Amino acid sequence: SYVLTQPPSVSVAPGKTARITCGGNNIGSKSVHWYQQKPGQAPVLVVYDDSDRPSGIPERFSGSNSGNTATLTISRVEAGDEADYYCQVWDSSSDHWVFGGGTKLTVL
Amino acid sequence: EVQLVQSGAEVKKPGESLKISCKGSGYSFTSYWIGWVRQMPGKGLEWMGIIYPGDSDTRYSPSFQGQVTISADKSISTAYLQWSSLKASDTAMYYCASSPTGHFDYWGQGTLVTVSS
Repeated sequence: SYVLTQPPSVSVAPGKTARITCGGNNIGSKSVHWYQQKPGQAPVLVVYDDSDRPSGIPERFSGSNSGNTATLTISRVEAGDEADYYCQVWDSSSDHWVFGGGTKLTVL
Repeated sequence: EVQLVQSGAEVKKPGESLKISCKGSGYSFTSYWIGWVRQMPGKGLEWMGIIYPGDSDTRYSPSFQGQVTISADKSISTAYLQWSSLKASDTAMYYCASSPTGHFDYWGQGTLVTVSS
């Protein structure tokens, strides 16, 4: 089955840029989606189809996808961005939805 | 406004059966997939399976195939996740979420299932 690999943790200072990666075999050929989950809350979609943002999501959140790595970029990081972030794809070969293991973003 | 409202928290004993629900409103329930996602305490998100309420077409993760059953009643815009014999390892938060294509755009509030003797 298809596997998505994320770093367990990323740390960033306020006002800086955070980059969270999601690795997978030829992931650039798939559509990648990203979710933010704060403690005690349900996940929230922040980027879909590699780089599109749902309404209400700040422009500070952006995504890219190429080769074997997709990246969620959060610009001008704020304390309120501290959360767990998950990447996700639909694997057409198995017709399964797949989540990455998640990355804990810490704002220093 | 799109909403997915899940049934309340459950406390069960090992071996008992359980069916939890997810009621959709504010959109065409039969036109979007509804997926179920498990989150064990302190752990990440795991895709369990998904159903298309329009025709009840269902997919399961290999990890959950045979362990749970996903169903839907389109007449009342409700999807279900059920177990015939719970284990302590089924203790987790369970989320439903709607999927227009490959992503999950709206999520329920979650149902906490606790299995303990």
